[in-house]
Amino acid sequence: DSGVTQTPKHLITATGQRVTLRCSPRSGDLSVYWYQQSLDQGLQFLIQYYNGEERAKGNILERFSAQQFPDLHSELNLSSLELGDSALYFCASSVESGTVSSYEQYFGPGTRLTVT
Amino acid sequence: AQSVAQPEDQVNVAEGNPLTVKCTYSVSGNPYLFWYVQYPNRGLQFLLKYITGDNLVKGSYGFEAEFNKSQTSFHLKKPSALVSDSALYFCAVRDRSSASKIIFGSGTRLSIRP
Repeated sequence: DSGVTQTPKHLITATGQRVTLRCSPRSGDLSVYWYQQSLDQGLQFLIQYYNGEERAKGNILERFSAQQFPDLHSELNLSSLELGDSALYFCASSVESGTVSSYEQYFGPGTRLTVT
Repeated sequence: AQSVAQPEDQVNVAEGNPLTVKCTYSVSGNPYLFWYVQYPNRGLQFLLKYITGDNLVKGSYGFEAEFNKSQTSFHLKKPSALVSDSALYFCAVRDRSSASKIIFGSGTRLSIRP
């Protein structure tokens, strides 16, 4: 158990809908990362938050957004869903401080999103 | 731009034999390098990392990796494979900018036959 929790485990929804995925980082970790894992695209970095602020952006679509709250949990919002958004979405956290990015990440169990 | 290549989609090894999973990278400056393992229906688990210092890094479950700056490689190795090592392995790279993103390789499926 990595200490990172994600809810829900599974989500089935229809095209055009909006969903919210939730992540709670390990105790003490200030950084949260979101990833999308699909069979054809592999593991894609979406976005990173550090202590409530956006730190780095990857291949995140404009239909997707995220935020990190004062209690450090994070939410990933996916809207206008398309069939191609079906994937595993992982959250990870790390302890890294303001200027150090050498720390390993600890991954949650993921949310499997199925868009029908 | 940063990139990571895992040239082998699949590696097959007999139990007890040494294993190598290859990773090469491209990044400006000196990188941070990581290996992660993913078991079925699970999130990724951290195995080991190279930050600085000794080029041979030891990690969890008997795995080690060698950083080779001239060849820009960070191959994962284990002297004696176990059937339980069968999983998907990801190499990852990050440059030393604090605002940089981490890039994962495409993954290598390791299959250990009894």
